[in-house]
Amino acid sequence: RKEVEQDPGPFNVPEGATVAFNCTYSNSASQSFFWYRQDCRKEPKLLMSVYSSGNEDGRFTAQLNRASQYISLLIRDSKLSDSATYLCVVAASGNTPLVFGKGTRLSVIA
Amino acid sequence: EPEVTQTPSHQVTQMGQEVILRCVPISNHLYFYWYRQILGQKVEFLVSFYNNEISEKSEIFDDQFSVERPDGSNFTLKIRSTKLEDSAMYFCASSYEERISPLHFGNGTRLTVT
Repeated sequence: RKEVEQDPGPFNVPEGATVAFNCTYSNSASQSFFWYRQDCRKEPKLLMSVYSSGNEDGRFTAQLNRASQYISLLIRDSKLSDSATYLCVVAASGNTPLVFGKGTRLSVIA
Repeated sequence: EPEVTQTPSHQVTQMGQEVILRCVPISNHLYFYWYRQILGQKVEFLVSFYNNEISEKSEIFDDQFSVERPDGSNFTLKIRSTKLEDSAMYFCASSYEERISPLHFGNGTRLTVT
């Protein structure tokens, strides 16, 4: 099983739509979780950290389910500028580095 | 907002040549990293650096790679004898705390080995 697995997409949605991405991770000892956004040929940029109780930042909501080893990202009222690849990133405890998923590509269409 | 800066933005080199990729991390950050991303692939960890020494490295980071923090501000990645498969985007990143706080990435150096 891959360490961090994401549906690669692409997800093609109209402006204003709600879209959800899922991510599963294999290491049950994982402690920290993040969603990053990456535009084509650019560096990853932090979108939001994911907390155990779930958290929201404007149109973005992240959820964590430790029992199922599953993280989600919900984007409401999609904008054209949300078009990007969304990377799920997980950090285990101990001496393991952050592990990136391959990303889910989103295209928001006018 | 402070940022991580990388130079050059694009480096073209011939197979077998040495390259040095440069990074200036955010000034109060303590942990420094190199990641790479081959075109169309995922971001892969290479090495982390703390307190002037390597704290972790991946299988990719073999004897051809080395890192250095020569002067307290720069953080460099050297590839001694480049191979075609080293062609990738190389990202430097820094963080204040390891694994807990998020990474701040530089805008990357695109390395092309011909």
